[in-house]
Amino acid sequence: GENVEQHPSTLSVQEGDSAVIKCTYSDSASNYFPWYKQELGKGPQLIIDIRSNVGEKKDQRIAVTLNKTAKHFSLHITETQPEDSAVYFCAASNRNRDDKIIFGKGTRLHILP
Amino acid sequence: DAGVIQSPRHEVTEMGQEVTLRCKPISGHNSLFWYRQTMMRGLELLIYFNNNVPIDDSGMPEDRFSAKMPNASFSTLKIQPSEPRDSAVYFCASSLGGLAGVELFFGEGSRLTVL
Repeated sequence: GENVEQHPSTLSVQEGDSAVIKCTYSDSASNYFPWYKQELGKGPQLIIDIRSNVGEKKDQRIAVTLNKTAKHFSLHITETQPEDSAVYFCAASNRNRDDKIIFGKGTRLHILP
Repeated sequence: DAGVIQSPRHEVTEMGQEVTLRCKPISGHNSLFWYRQTMMRGLELLIYFNNNVPIDDSGMPEDRFSAKMPNASFSTLKIQPSEPRDSAVYFCASSLGGLAGVELFFGEGSRLTVL
């Protein structure tokens, strides 16, 4: 089955700097890669996703890149702000097989003032 | 919309007691998921319902866990008897559609502590 590895587990960046979180997956058939943000005391919330037919997707200050050959994908947050502090989860699944979404272990992002 | 509603938000119980967690999905969503979150294992899918029917319960850890969805607007996750290793945050999520490729809407979770 699918296995998703996420790094780093904790990341601290200065406010205004960029943050990058990286994930790898094992099943080459996976074709859907969402990213969820979990704020303290809340449930995870989808912030962006990418499908295997594109290599990059942007939404304001966040972007995701996908390298299918290497089986890795990344989340990039630019111009970080205090409200970006949260736990971020990457995930992977196969939409064609309607497989369950497998989540990474999460990255706790701290934005330093 | 009020979002996915879970209760209780916090539950502290003693080993051996029965625990029932409740979930009200977003109106109109036809899929419902129960997840467990721990530091060691991250987010694990326990069970998935589609149109009130359990489709995949392969993540349910053992017979002490059971889940029901008697109608489209209510689901329960029951642990009987509870054990300290069941301590975790349990999330309910709902979506329009199946397992993959659709946005999951999570509730705020039920934090369970078993002493």
